Amino acid sequence: QQPVQSPQAVILREGEDAVINCSSSKALYSVHWYRQKHGEAPVFLMILLKGGEQKGHDKISASFNEKKQQSSLYLTASQLSYSGTYFCGTENYGGATNKLIFGTGTLLAVQP
Amino acid sequence: DVKVTQSSRYLVKRTGEKVFLECVQDMDHENMFWYRQDPGLGLRLIYFSYDVKMKEKGDIPEGYSVSREKKERFSLILESASTNQTSMYLCASRNQMGTQYFGPGTRLTVL
Repeated sequence: QQPVQSPQAVILREGEDAVINCSSSKALYSVHWYRQKHGEAPVFLMILLKGGEQKGHDKISASFNEKKQQSSLYLTASQLSYSGTYFCGTENYGGATNKLIFGTGTLLAVQP
Repeated sequence: DVKVTQSSRYLVKRTGEKVFLECVQDMDHENMFWYRQDPGLGLRLIYFSYDVKMKEKGDIPEGYSVSREKKERFSLILESASTNQTSMYLCASRNQMGTQYFGPGTRLTVL
């Protein structure tokens, strides 16, 4: 029951915006976002805990719609450093505490 | 800074060998995790641990076992390595706020 991420891959020019979506078939307690650069370990971006919550991290922000069981990651005015694979991780109600189920990832490539 | 270290970056083993992957964290985190990462499949949870000597199966535990004798150390064991266990293995620990810190990974090849 991995969450579904879309798109699978996206190519941008510097300065363009992108949205990455994460949908679950189960009720969500929280959504976590990570970025993994090529050859490196995944790095934490943010956690969203409440329905409708939005958070920002530099020019990267996210929303969490608990009713729709989905989250979106917004990357505005993209920079070359944003390139990498983005993963959402979900914690489900009724699931084991602290257990994250990760999606299959979205590959983002930002070109000059 | 939180540091999660893994014993090897690259490992090559033969089918049937017993393989130990070790992970150490230096932040006194109670929760630790082992994932495998394969192209197109994302990060899949093998086992996790809430505390010393506590372990829980993740989504793909078959063929693996774990050991947590000390809080800072979480080991993944492949009792009899098979070629389908060739993968990137990532260890992580988690703080009380929910942030997971990942190690650099071990790329295991089973011949």
